[in-house]
Amino acid sequence: DTAVSQTPKYLVTQMGNDKSIKCEQNLGHDTMYWYKQDSKKFLKIMFSYNNKELIINETVPNRFSPKSPDKAHLNLHINSLELGDSAVYFCASSQDRGRGYEQYFGPGTRLTVT
Amino acid sequence: DQQVKQNSPSLSVQEGRISILNCDYTNSMFDYFLWYKKYPAEGPTFLISISSIKDKNEDGRFTVFLNKSAKHLSLHIVPSQPGDSAVYFCAATTQYDKIIFGKGTRLHILP
Repeated sequence: DTAVSQTPKYLVTQMGNDKSIKCEQNLGHDTMYWYKQDSKKFLKIMFSYNNKELIINETVPNRFSPKSPDKAHLNLHINSLELGDSAVYFCASSQDRGRGYEQYFGPGTRLTVT
Repeated sequence: DQQVKQNSPSLSVQEGRISILNCDYTNSMFDYFLWYKKYPAEGPTFLISISSIKDKNEDGRFTVFLNKSAKHLSLHIVPSQPGDSAVYFCAATTQYDKIIFGKGTRLHILP
C-alpha cells in the first residue's frame, strides 16, 4: 500500500509545453504539500493545502497552479515550461497543520525540460 | 539566506561506530527541529523531531540533541548500520508554518 503516490515518476518535455503532476495520499491526512528540489539539492516548499484550502503559497511563478479536488489529492499544473523548471518535485502530506513537521513524502517526479 | 545549514556535505563512518550529523540554524523563532532521511529515488522519510523546550530526544538508535544557545542540533546514530547510508536532512519549523530544510549530509556507512 503506497501512502503518498505521484504520477508520473519521470517527465521529459520541451520548453513551452504545459504539464501536470498528480499526487494522491491514502493516509486520511488533512494537509498536503508540493516541494521542489533543485539542482543544488535544496528542498523548498511551494504550496500547501489544508482540507482543499490553500494555506501556503511561496514565491512561485504563477505558471505553477496547484489544484486540490479533494483532501486526498493535490495536483500541480505547470504552464509554459522553462529550462529552470527542471527539478525533482515532491508531494507530501501531514495529519494536520498542528503536526505539519511530520510529513510523509511521495517518491518524487523528476521533471526535465529540454 | 539559509536559515538551516548543514556544513558537511558528506560523512563516512565505520559500521558499528557512532555517526554524528550536525546542523546549525539562524532563526530563534523555530520551535520544532527535525531530521529526515532520504534514499536515492525515494522521498524523504521523517526520522525524529525535537521540540525547542527539550534538549534531547531519543528513539532507538537515534538521538537528537538541541543546544539552543548555540543554535545547533545534532543527530547521533549508534551503532551505525549499513542501512543507515542515506542523505540526512536537518529541518526546522514553527507550528502551523512551513518546514525549512537544510541541504543534506550524505552518510556512508563503511563495512
